[in-house]
Amino acid sequence: NAGVTQTPKFQVLKTGQSMTLQCAQDMNHNSMYWYRQDPGMGLRLIYYSASEGTTDKGEVPNGYNVSRLNKREFSLRLESAAPSQTSVYFCASTDNYEQYFGPGTRLTVT
Amino acid sequence: GNSVTQMEGPVTLSEEAFLTINCTYTATGYPSLFWYVQYPGEGLQLLLKATKADDKGSNKGFEATYRKETTSFHLEKGSVQVSDSAVYFCALVSGSARQLTFGSGTQLTVLP
Repeated sequence: NAGVTQTPKFQVLKTGQSMTLQCAQDMNHNSMYWYRQDPGMGLRLIYYSASEGTTDKGEVPNGYNVSRLNKREFSLRLESAAPSQTSVYFCASTDNYEQYFGPGTRLTVT
Repeated sequence: GNSVTQMEGPVTLSEEAFLTINCTYTATGYPSLFWYVQYPGEGLQLLLKATKADDKGSNKGFEATYRKETTSFHLEKGSVQVSDSAVYFCALVSGSARQLTFGSGTQLTVLP
């Protein structure tokens, strides 16, 4: 049972480049989430999807877009990367109160 | 809105010492409270939870009691081990959207 998987694990981008972070879960969960983790700030919610076909903004959505491709997959896109988006990105899923997290993607924007 | 305030770290303890990490919250309604742990290089894992006032969550020797009167959910362990070295996050969820609000995290280092 893989749980929540994320690709890639590491990525370096130049300012202005675009990329998509992939997330998939095999637990048949309805809700999925994207967070960013920055030192001293805990995790902040970027976007979430309460169910297949719906997405909503979280606390820090600017500069990001998401797609809930199907029940399993929830991708996060950076259209024009900025140094302020250097962070560790976590995907999570849940069907109740316990959220299951992926291993994270460490993104550096230079 | 909801918020979680955690004791600032880092915290460094010797093996077998007593651990307390303070957590207080502000929330509308009746939130559920959680402690998550993040080991180096990994994602977050749920450590324990409490869903109503006076509930005590416990796991792996860690405990936390949901105190509505003081809006607190302090994490405790009687005797820490080197393997407990990690970052600990207090969090809450309130409302139907199941959105977690996290504290800033507390880095714990346990020395042998």
